[in-house]
Amino acid sequence: DTGVSQDPRHKITKRGQNVTFRCDPISEHNRLYWYRQTLGQGPEFLTYFQNEAQLEKSRLLSDRFSAERPKGSFSTLEIQRTEQGDSAMYLCASSPVGGSNQPQHFGDGTRLSIL
Amino acid sequence: AQSVTQLGSHVSVSEGALVLLRCNYSSSVPPYLFWYVQYPNQGLQLLLKYTTGATLVKGINGFEAEFKKSETSFHLTKPSAHMSDAAEYFCAVSPETGANNLFFGTGTRLTVIP
Repeated sequence: DTGVSQDPRHKITKRGQNVTFRCDPISEHNRLYWYRQTLGQGPEFLTYFQNEAQLEKSRLLSDRFSAERPKGSFSTLEIQRTEQGDSAMYLCASSPVGGSNQPQHFGDGTRLSIL
Repeated sequence: AQSVTQLGSHVSVSEGALVLLRCNYSSSVPPYLFWYVQYPNQGLQLLLKYTTGATLVKGINGFEAEFKKSETSFHLTKPSAHMSDAAEYFCAVSPETGANNLFFGTGTRLTVIP
């Protein structure tokens, strides 16, 4: 169990630029989640994959956000035309099949700063 | 709808004192409940979970929590605080069906005074 890996750990970019983050889940986990955490708040759900299928998206996920998990393994989260309000920590989590009683394992996150 | 309320955004205790972090949830059906800990610039680490069965749940690092359905609470306790317990603690609920995404409280920052 090598844990959930996220890359990069930090990203600084100018407003209006596009950014892409990567998440590698624990290898045997078929569920993958993206969350956003702003300063002083708990993580907020963005989207969820079961294998390669994106099954649910939060209303927080505007049209500028897109997530993929093409082969049911790693996932990417892209933000287009970044805005100041996108500054946050983006967390990825994975869990095995078995329902919501299975705990989610989190990566260390990607901290995005918009200049 | 699921929601979580954590009373007290900051809690300070002396080293060796009891730790009590409060969590109340709102759910139309009994949910699954979790406590996570987050150290600076890191992701969340699971402390413990309640799904079914025994309402007193023991977790890692000496923490435990008790599910009280009548009070819709899931408070986290530790008998004796250690300096290494200083961190942010999040209570979360998950519905039994659907995406199973977690709904988090706003967190409680625990400070341990030597």
